[in-house]
Order: sequence, then structure tokens, then C-alpha cells
Amino acid sequence: GEDVEQSLFLSVREGDSSVINCTYTDSSSTYLYWYKQEPGAGLQLLTYIFSNMDMKQDQRLTVLLNKKDKHLSLRIADTQTGDSAIYFCAESLYNNAGNMLTFGGGTRLMVKP
Amino acid sequence: DAGITQSPRYKITETGRQVTLMCHQTWSHSYMFWYRQDLGHGLRLIYYSAAADITDKGEVPDGYVVSRSKTENFPLTLESATRSQTSVYFCASTPTGSYEQYFGPGTRLTVT
Repeated sequence: GEDVEQSLFLSVREGDSSVINCTYTDSSSTYLYWYKQEPGAGLQLLTYIFSNMDMKQDQRLTVLLNKKDKHLSLRIADTQTGDSAIYFCAESLYNNAGNMLTFGGGTRLMVKP
Repeated sequence: DAGITQSPRYKITETGRQVTLMCHQTWSHSYMFWYRQDLGHGLRLIYYSAAADITDKGEVPDGYVVSRSKTENFPLTLESATRSQTSVYFCASTPTGSYEQYFGPGTRLTVT
């Protein structure tokens, strides 16, 4: 079965780097995702990485994928107070139902000024 | 470009009542999904649809019914609401051949 796990909480100081970690179990995952959810809002797609890649960088965001250990991380450089939110990782398996996502429980990031 | 909208945004209903949550997308995406979000569980898939008139169960379908007569609409009905269905419900959509899933703003449902 599929299972995606994340730590519940992370606190960092403004200007520091944040690293949010995620582990997954389905080795046949096609893509792995990071979503951001601000209070009272829906999920915003931040970035995603294809399963045959090791790293993807997009401005302040760096995604690292260790497929052997089934470990995914999201690094946010120069973390700002506006980055405070819940971050969800998700894995997908593309099949005839489209892109079915399995989500982790979310990591709440708190950025202290 | 309205994207994906959900209505109502907030709903309070009583146990045993039928309630329908609406989802509308303007992109003509083929795939649509309903999730519920509960503390400690992340998002769990309730139902999904690959196209109009094609729907299938997700991880937690019991107590819910969906329909998709038009590509742009994917309503979710709770036939007889229970307190355990108190949750935040998210609709999402994906274009054919894409790996990106886009979410609506959510509906917060409280069953008293």
C-alpha cells in the first residue's frame, strides 16, 4: 500500500534555510510533489519532480529525491514570514484514472521574525 | 480565468440531512477529484472522475455520491450526513496528459 509520512512541525528564523522532509513507500511513483497551504486556502502547487531525477531547483526552492531511500525533501532558502504555511508532499501514480495523488499529513512551517 | 471554484465555502448542516457540495472548473480538464482534509490525515481521496459520466471510488467513498453529467461540474453529495463527515472538502482537476493537479479553495462542512 501507499503511505507518505512527514514530520508535523518545523520552526525556523527568518533568513535561515528550511528543510522539510518526506518519506514515501510506493517505488513505482511517477512524480513527487510539494504543495503549500496557507490558512483558510486551498493547496497551491509549489513544485514537482519526476521520479528519475535527483534534484530540481526553482528560485528559492530545491527539491532533493533519494529514490533508493524513498526520501524527498524541500529546501526553502532565505525563509520569509510569508513562507509560514502547511507543506504537503504527495506521490502519484499515473494510470487510467489520471494522476492519483497520495498525500502526507503535512508539515506546519513557522517562520519567526 | 476563474479556474476551479467550490460552493458553498462554508456549510453547517444537521445529522441525517442531505447536502451537496459543488465544484466547477472552467478549464475543461478531463480529470476531477474530491478530497477531504482532516487533522492528522492529510488529504484523502473520496471519488474521482476521468471524464463526463465516468466516476470511480477513491480511498474513503462510504457515505458519498458523485455525478458528472458535464465536464465542468463534479458535485459531491452526502446522502445522510454524519458527524464524522465534518471536514474540509477540496475539489481538484487535472488536464489529460498532465501531471499537475489544481485545487479549489475548499468547502468547510460542519455536521451537528
